[in-house]
Amino acid sequence: GDSVTQMEGPVTLSEEAFLTINCTYTATGYPSLFWYVQYPGEGLQLLLKATKADDKGSNKGFEATYRKETTSFHLEKGSVQVSDSAVYFCATNYNQGGKLIFGQGTELSVKP
Amino acid sequence: DTGVSQNPRHKITKRGQNVTFRCDPISEHNRLYWYRQTLGQGPEFLTYFQNEAQLEKSRLLSDRFSAERPKGSFSTLEIQRTEQGDSAMYLCASSSLGSRDPDTQYFGPGTRLTVL
Repeated sequence: GDSVTQMEGPVTLSEEAFLTINCTYTATGYPSLFWYVQYPGEGLQLLLKATKADDKGSNKGFEATYRKETTSFHLEKGSVQVSDSAVYFCATNYNQGGKLIFGQGTELSVKP
Repeated sequence: DTGVSQNPRHKITKRGQNVTFRCDPISEHNRLYWYRQTLGQGPEFLTYFQNEAQLEKSRLLSDRFSAERPKGSFSTLEIQRTEQGDSAMYLCASSSLGSRDPDTQYFGPGTRLTVL
């Protein structure tokens, strides 16, 4: 069945370091891809999304490109801040408006 | 737009008791989803509704679980004869199929269930 695999955490970085969180998926058809973020004590929030191959989603300095050839959607940020400390979830759906399938999450901790 | 709300935020119950959670989606969102999240894991899909119709149920949703959305607005998730393995965060999300952004699901804060 469809699935999402993320790199394991926790990931600890110093402020202003470059961030990559890997995400690969298996899915039939043409799913959309998402990154959600969960800040401490808060609910899941959509960070960015891409709906078709080669699309790039971006928000708050984060970017991810939908790579169909490698079935990947890696999250990147050029310079992380302490306020980026959170758990990041990669997700995909079967079809438009359908259920989301999440990866296990990657905890990011940014030290000053 | 007040966002997705869930009540209660926390529930502690004894094994064998029944519990019910409520989710109020974003106004006019026609799809409503339930997920379960355990510590250190991503959310797992349980079920979803389009208006009042329940369109899909996960195999995770045993016969002790039932969900309803009687008028196509709020939804309830009931767990009967709770077990310790039911302890988790129960998340609700909503989306608007037919809008410009049908894929994005907006999540509520969750209901944390502890079964003693």
